[in-house]
Amino acid sequence: QVQLEHSGAEVKKPGASVKVSCKASGYTFTNYGISWVRQAPGQGLEWMGWINAYNGNTKYAQKFQGRVTMTTDTSTSTAYVELRSLRSDDTAVYFCARESFSGQLGYWGQGTLVTVSS
Amino acid sequence: EIVMTQSPATLSVSPGERATLSCRASQSVSSNLAWYQQRPGQAPRLLIYDASTRATGIPARFSGSGSGTEFTLTISSLQSEDFAVYYCQQYSSWYTFGQGTKLEIK
Repeated sequence: QVQLEHSGAEVKKPGASVKVSCKASGYTFTNYGISWVRQAPGQGLEWMGWINAYNGNTKYAQKFQGRVTMTTDTSTSTAYVELRSLRSDDTAVYFCARESFSGQLGYWGQGTLVTVSS
Repeated sequence: EIVMTQSPATLSVSPGERATLSCRASQSVSSNLAWYQQRPGQAPRLLIYDASTRATGIPARFSGSGSGTEFTLTISSLQSEDFAVYYCQQYSSWYTFGQGTKLEIK
């Protein structure tokens, strides 16, 4: 069965960077894209961007352009999102989600809580 | 960017009754629309995709309809586990989510 396993919670200071990982299993990693979605406490879902796990092509939401980098390691079937210049409003749970054939996000990881605090 | 607007923000319904949630897109997304359920402390779960197709394992009481800019999620007879937050999402032009509808017990 498809599983997406996140790295553990992080606490960062403002201005720092964070890199969250998402290890996939149960399917051929390079056959599907991965999206990253975040959710601030008590708030809704916010799409950050997408990466093609086969060739590494990316599409970032305009809000995060210049501050986010998404990568994959096909040897370990792991996707990564790095967010730089962290601010307090970046405090959120960061989810990876695998796309399905039509484009919907059929599988989600459990999420990684990133807390930004001085 | 396509903006998704959900209504109402909160819906109070009694168990066993029907719930109807709405989602509007700022421009046509054809049928490239999904619905997700999120319970507290959990990741979102895909319910409906392509506007009206139930995802694997989703009970028949969940149904989706609409195309273009107007969409509806209907839950025919609410069970206790259905009280949660529901999000619509378009995937016609990358991805955008609605702000969510909280379905609460009346």
